[in-house]
Amino acid sequence: DGGITQSPKYLFRKEGQNVTLSCEQNLNHDAMYWYRQDPGQGLRLIYYSQIVNDFQKGDIAEGYSVSREKKESFPLTVTSAQKNPTAFYLCASSIRGRATGELFFGEGSRLTVL
Amino acid sequence: DQQVKQNSPSLSVQEGRISILNCDYTNSMFDYFLWYKKYPAEGPTFLISISSIKDKNEDGRFTVFLNKSAKHLSLHIVPSQPGDSAVYFCAAHSNYGQNFVFGPGTRLSVLP
Repeated sequence: DGGITQSPKYLFRKEGQNVTLSCEQNLNHDAMYWYRQDPGQGLRLIYYSQIVNDFQKGDIAEGYSVSREKKESFPLTVTSAQKNPTAFYLCASSIRGRATGELFFGEGSRLTVL
Repeated sequence: DQQVKQNSPSLSVQEGRISILNCDYTNSMFDYFLWYKKYPAEGPTFLISISSIKDKNEDGRFTVFLNKSAKHLSLHIVPSQPGDSAVYFCAAHSNYGQNFVFGPGTRLSVLP
């Protein structure tokens, strides 16, 4: 079945450590996104990529980095520079250029900084 | 400044009655609106959408109404079922933008 797979589902990190969240999709979508969810704040865009080897900062990119070396993969690294990294992270994809297309989401990764 | 607002953090409705979830937006460039449903510890799933050229879209028990002049949309669920209990996010998109803007969500509880 086609879909988006995020791993790990739960992750604990010590302060000062970098951590990478995986996102893989087999929907053949060009566009991929990373969102962060905090209580009462909806989903905020961290980074997005419309095509391989290209990505753009979203609204809250500071302290995060991404890469898009393959169409199906869009990993997110939460660096030690991120001041408040504890959150629920969601990866999504969509058909590029189709503005009326919906986003397809993974099941999310919950990161807790100890 | 939130471009998409959902002013009710939570809503409780009796099973079988109508649930009405509201959403307001400020950016007049938005031309496509979506509703997503989210259960705890899961990713959101797409529910229903509406283009700005329409004022109503219906899919089974779910109907979305759009009032462009008021920059307001609402999601109606009739009849409400306990399985509808979830957080509902309103999202907006513009042909000129690169991403979807989400509201903060409304937690719906349908009581048996």
